[in-house]
Amino acid sequence: EIVMTQSPDTLSVSPGERATLSCRASQSVSSYLAWYQQKPGQAPRLLIYGASTRATGIPARFSGSGSGTEFTLTISSLQSEDFAVYYCQQYNNWPPYTFGQGTKLEIK
Amino acid sequence: EVQLVESGGGLVQPGGSLILSCAASGLRFIDAWMSWVRQTPGKGLEWVGRIKSKASGGTTDYAAPVKDRFTISRDDSKNTVYLQMNSLKTDDTAIYYCVKVFILAHLAFDHWGQGALVTVSS
Repeated sequence: EIVMTQSPDTLSVSPGERATLSCRASQSVSSYLAWYQQKPGQAPRLLIYGASTRATGIPARFSGSGSGTEFTLTISSLQSEDFAVYYCQQYNNWPPYTFGQGTKLEIK
Repeated sequence: EVQLVESGGGLVQPGGSLILSCAASGLRFIDAWMSWVRQTPGKGLEWVGRIKSKASGGTTDYAAPVKDRFTISRDDSKNTVYLQMNSLKTDDTAIYYCVKVFILAHLAFDHWGQGALVTVSS
């Protein structure tokens, strides 16, 4: 089973600034990596698939990069609605699909 | 608009059974691969299992912790997918999400239901 590890666990950033979240896979997942956003009381929402392709309706300030074992989600200019928990997920080697433990993005 | 609506959650005793249903609309359900994902405060998001479309064989796969206890099935005439949970354990307590697999080239989850809370407790 591929283990996904996200860092940091919590990231404090001011509105308008850039946020960079990391995800590492225990073995290569090629570019089969997705990012999700989850707000309190809501289901997760797909942001990025294929490591770098934004899902339908996702603003351009969200971008993903990386391949193999190292991935990054960047939010270029944080808006108030972006403060949430973010998860990465691999779907290269399945079953099982595996998720990271999440990074909480909070207001500084 | 794609909608996934789970039902059937609740409180069940250890060793008991429960069936979750997920009614789908706004998509060509017969072609969709569907999964269940659960979430607990302690273990985060955990994939439970998946059922392929009948055109792709209709087969199922399960995560190790639930294999041989949980069964996923589908009724394409009702646009509904089911999660039959047997021999429930306290560790199965979670919010269970019905999710749609994006596309076969990218097996991410592009639509999620609102979740059904399952509590396993005596």
